[in-house]
Amino acid sequence: KAGVTQTPRYLIKTRGQQVTLSCSPISGHRSVSWYQQTPGQGLQFLFEYFSETQRNKGNFPGRFSGRQFSNSRSEMNVSTLELGDSALYLCASSLVPGADTEAFFGQGTRLTVV
Amino acid sequence: DAKTTQPTSMDCAEGRAANLPCNHSTISGNEYVYWYRQIHSQGPQYIIHGLKNNETNEMASLIITEDRKSSTLILPHATLRDTAVYYCIVRSGGGADGLTFGKGTHLIIQP
Repeated sequence: KAGVTQTPRYLIKTRGQQVTLSCSPISGHRSVSWYQQTPGQGLQFLFEYFSETQRNKGNFPGRFSGRQFSNSRSEMNVSTLELGDSALYLCASSLVPGADTEAFFGQGTRLTVV
Repeated sequence: DAKTTQPTSMDCAEGRAANLPCNHSTISGNEYVYWYRQIHSQGPQYIIHGLKNNETNEMASLIITEDRKSSTLILPHATLRDTAVYYCIVRSGGGADGLTFGKGTHLIIQP
């Protein structure tokens, strides 16, 4: 069974540009969450999607957005990139949302903003 | 979600059991205890989770105290590949807020 797949693995963008990251969950998983990891702030929750609906969002500006498609694949978008957006972006999938459901992470997309 | 407290770092000899403590004294009745680990620059790896009973799987055992205010993750026979940052996370029943990662414990397995 394939794991969570994130593409691309590495990305370099210029300040002011926008970027779209993709996440394919484990087959059969319908919930997808996104996280940002930086050396200063650690791992922080961005948002969670289930059945194409955003269930919750972390404390991030509106430049960070996402969506989920009917096949459960998800994308996140960051507009007007800033240097501080350089981070490892991680996607996690689970069967359904909920506290008693383990989430499995992908290997992440390493975004560098120059 | 309740906060957790973990030691910053720990050492363990290869082949011995690694016991990682976690304090979650403000945990409430519907909150689960989760453990993840992260090897440098990789995505976090799920290890185990539980509500109040002790749990065991192929990777580890989770021992939760009767009052649920603390727990211990046990890796029975640590190997060098178990060197990683281990995160203890308390997650509320609704689970809508994602996983709240603290700084974790950097476990170093010594040869």
